[in-house]
Amino acid sequence: GAGVSQSPSNKVTEKGKDVELRCDPISGHTALYWYRQSLGQGLEFLIYFQGNSAPDKSGLPSDRFSAERTGGSVSTLTIQRTQQEDSAVYLCASSLGGAPELFFGEGSRLTVL
Amino acid sequence: GQQLNQSPQSMFIQEGEDVSMNCTSSSIFNTWLWYKQDPGEGPVLLIALYKAGELTSNGRLTAQFGITRKDSFLNISASIPSDVGIYFCAGQPGAGSYQLTFGKGTKLSVIP
Repeated sequence: GAGVSQSPSNKVTEKGKDVELRCDPISGHTALYWYRQSLGQGLEFLIYFQGNSAPDKSGLPSDRFSAERTGGSVSTLTIQRTQQEDSAVYLCASSLGGAPELFFGEGSRLTVL
Repeated sequence: GQQLNQSPQSMFIQEGEDVSMNCTSSSIFNTWLWYKQDPGEGPVLLIALYKAGELTSNGRLTAQFGITRKDSFLNISASIPSDVGIYFCAGQPGAGSYQLTFGKGTKLSVIP
């Protein structure tokens, strides 16, 4: 597609449920990033993919968070047993081969009740 | 981890005024970038800087990569209402380092 596409745009869930957030990067972009943005805050790095591999998962806040990427394209961020502090906007970005110019999607706003 | 200090946190200005905001870091970055985020949207890249001392313009926006490689600033001239939003600086340490560190943003409000 023309830009980075994320779904769902909004997700409201109950504490303890699992959620999956999807990212479809710009075609041809080999690098894919997940960031988290809490209300009024900057962007917190979660994980980076180069192709289907994730060389750095150090930003994932806990073992309830995981991500995968298949076919060098679509990525899914999974949060298990959601907690209220997981409420945030989850942003996905892609770039050409790890170039610093990141192109962001519109984000998935997660609200955990 | 690395942290960027971005200031000011927020600004209220009159339409037509110039705006200046900056970012400082305790460590060196090899690339500085400036993004703008509108409500409900993802950040959009405004300007990328690749060399110390570099001064780059994009329309009414001008950004500079500090000589020490530990700071950058963004100027907006003759502000207009659509300049409203949150401006983020971001830095990347260098070759082989893929992670961008973001500042906490400067929220700009323009009074018509």
